[in-house]
Amino acid sequence: KQEVTQIPAALSVPEGENLVLNCSFTDSAIYNLQWFRQDPGKGLTSLLLIQSSQREQTSGRLNASLDKSSGRSTLYIAASQPGDSATYLCAANTNAGKSTFGDGTTLTVKP
Amino acid sequence: KAGVTQTPRYLIKTRGQQVTLSCSPISGHRSVSWYQQTPGQGLQFLFEYFSETQRNKGNFPGRFSGRQFSNSRSEMNVSTLELGDSALYLCASSFGGAGEQFFGPGTRLTVL
Repeated sequence: KQEVTQIPAALSVPEGENLVLNCSFTDSAIYNLQWFRQDPGKGLTSLLLIQSSQREQTSGRLNASLDKSSGRSTLYIAASQPGDSATYLCAANTNAGKSTFGDGTTLTVKP
Repeated sequence: KAGVTQTPRYLIKTRGQQVTLSCSPISGHRSVSWYQQTPGQGLQFLFEYFSETQRNKGNFPGRFSGRQFSNSRSEMNVSTLELGDSALYLCASSFGGAGEQFFGPGTRLTVL
């Protein structure tokens, strides 16, 4: 059974800092890993998708890496802004249409 | 391209009633997955439909059921509502099921 863990559960940083969010999964037989952000009371917004054959993906100030052998993924956010404040979730997709989510990291970026 | 839509956005029901939620996927997407999100349990997978067939099911009681229509729209039904069913219900669509998932805004269900 796939289990996904995200550390830390909460993170508070001053504006402008670079930061790393961590995601670990127990079953390395994944199709892909996806990072999302969720604002309070809202749905999930897809940030980055990394296929199992890829090592990393970049979009703007975001960079996600994937190491299947160690069961880890990281989301790097450069030059953080107050608008980045949200909960960040990672999801390991190991079967058609089924994703296992971590509990998320709640990020607060202080002006 | 229109995103994933869910209706209704908010629902208030009483214990014992039943409810039906609807999800319209992105045009061309054939896979629809449903999730329940609660503060205590996080995001939990309910089931996934692809081309009108349920391919995967999570660990939820039989009171939770779903279906998918030929146009890929999906409905989720919860019968005999319990207080613990209060949650944000999210649906996600993807092209083939293992691809990038796109989520709708969710339906907030409150059971009194």
